[in-house]
Amino acid sequence: EDQVTQSPEALRLQEGESSSLNCSYTVSGLRGLFWYRQDPGKGPEFLFTLYSAGEEKEKERLKATLTKKESFLHITAPKPEDSATYLCAVQIQYSGYALNFGKGTSLLVTP
Amino acid sequence: EPEVTQTPSHQVTQMGQEVILRCVPISNHLYFYWYRQILGQKVEFLVSFYNNEISEKSEIFDDQFSVERPDGSNFTLKIRSTKLEDSAMYFCASTLGQGRNQPQHFGDGTRLSIL
Repeated sequence: EDQVTQSPEALRLQEGESSSLNCSYTVSGLRGLFWYRQDPGKGPEFLFTLYSAGEEKEKERLKATLTKKESFLHITAPKPEDSATYLCAVQIQYSGYALNFGKGTSLLVTP
Repeated sequence: EPEVTQTPSHQVTQMGQEVILRCVPISNHLYFYWYRQILGQKVEFLVSFYNNEISEKSEIFDDQFSVERPDGSNFTLKIRSTKLEDSAMYFCASTLGQGRNQPQHFGDGTRLSIL
């Protein structure tokens, strides 16, 4: 069965303390892997799409990487405004374009 | 920046009643989606819609659910005879195409509470 697992479930960082969030996936064939940010009471906000192993994308303090089994979202020198839930989702080849989400990592960055 | 708009933000309905959730996708987008998120659980795909037809649906999307694009701007999700377990956040999403670099953009959702 296709699965997306995110870890840790929750992460608390001091401002400036860099860390990484993990998304591991077991799918029959990956069409694409997506990272979204979700603030409380809001919808998912698109961050990155990764398509093939070795690919990397960056945006401000965030950097997403992809291997054949997992993706990492690296957060460098986070600020309190980076606090949110980060969602990973995959699209599966030959299986339409539905996004299959993980449960997310809830990130809290304290001053 | 263009955005997906959903109304109402919160809908309270008695069990057994019908409810319609409304979405205005980004104006030039062609593919539309509904997802739901039960409190504390992951976001789950319900249905995708293109060219006035359902293109894909999940096991959750049974005969209780239907979707419609009644005009050039709205996209609706109807739930007939609601159940307690239908209580969730419902998100609409849209995308211009389905090729690479065409991510799905989400609205802020409708919180549906079934009493």
